[in-house]
Amino acid sequence: AQTVTQSQPEMSVQEAETVTLSCTYDTSESNYYLFWYKQPPSRQMILVIRQEAYKQQNATENRFSVNFQKAAKSFSLKISDSQLGDTAMYFCAFMKLTGANSKLTFGKGITLSVRP
Amino acid sequence: NAGVTQTPKFRILKIGQSMTLQCAQDMNHNYMYWYRQDPGMGLKLIYYSVGAGITDKGEVPNGYNVSRSTTEDFPLRLELAAPSQTSVYFCASSGDDSYEQYFGPGTRLTVT
Repeated sequence: AQTVTQSQPEMSVQEAETVTLSCTYDTSESNYYLFWYKQPPSRQMILVIRQEAYKQQNATENRFSVNFQKAAKSFSLKISDSQLGDTAMYFCAFMKLTGANSKLTFGKGITLSVRP
Repeated sequence: NAGVTQTPKFRILKIGQSMTLQCAQDMNHNYMYWYRQDPGMGLKLIYYSVGAGITDKGEVPNGYNVSRSTTEDFPLRLELAAPSQTSVYFCASSGDDSYEQYFGPGTRLTVT
């Protein structure tokens, strides 16, 4: 079974600064995806970024980038130029690839507060 | 497209009552999922479906039932509600050619 660990329950960052959210996972699979989801106070789950395990290049989406270390089973999210709208819970998630689609395993999440 | 819709948004049940949480998607996705999110925790998979007529258990299926008679709808049934089922329930869907799951807005359920 896969496990996803987010050991930091809360973080705080000053607006316009950079923050890194940590995530580690445990799996014996070699082919999988990793995701970061954002959940603002509205409760809506929003996909932030996705990383395919077979890709060595780290994924980037505008101000969001990841540091994917496959051997260390680490998948951190870096948010640059933090904005007040980034205040939310962030979940790291793992998807084992079996057949055409598969299921997500989530970490417990981290609450990020962006200070004005 | 409305995406994934869920009804109701909120509900309070008494212990032992039953109810159905509705989920619908208009993206013609074959894959649909039900998750629950307990306070301070991530989402856990309850049931999922890979197409109309096909469902399977996830990580925490006890106390729940599902059906999938159409591609669009994936209702979740709670029988004999218990306080342990107090949670926020999310429905999600994904297409055949993408691993991205699209989530509904959630249903907050309280059992007292």
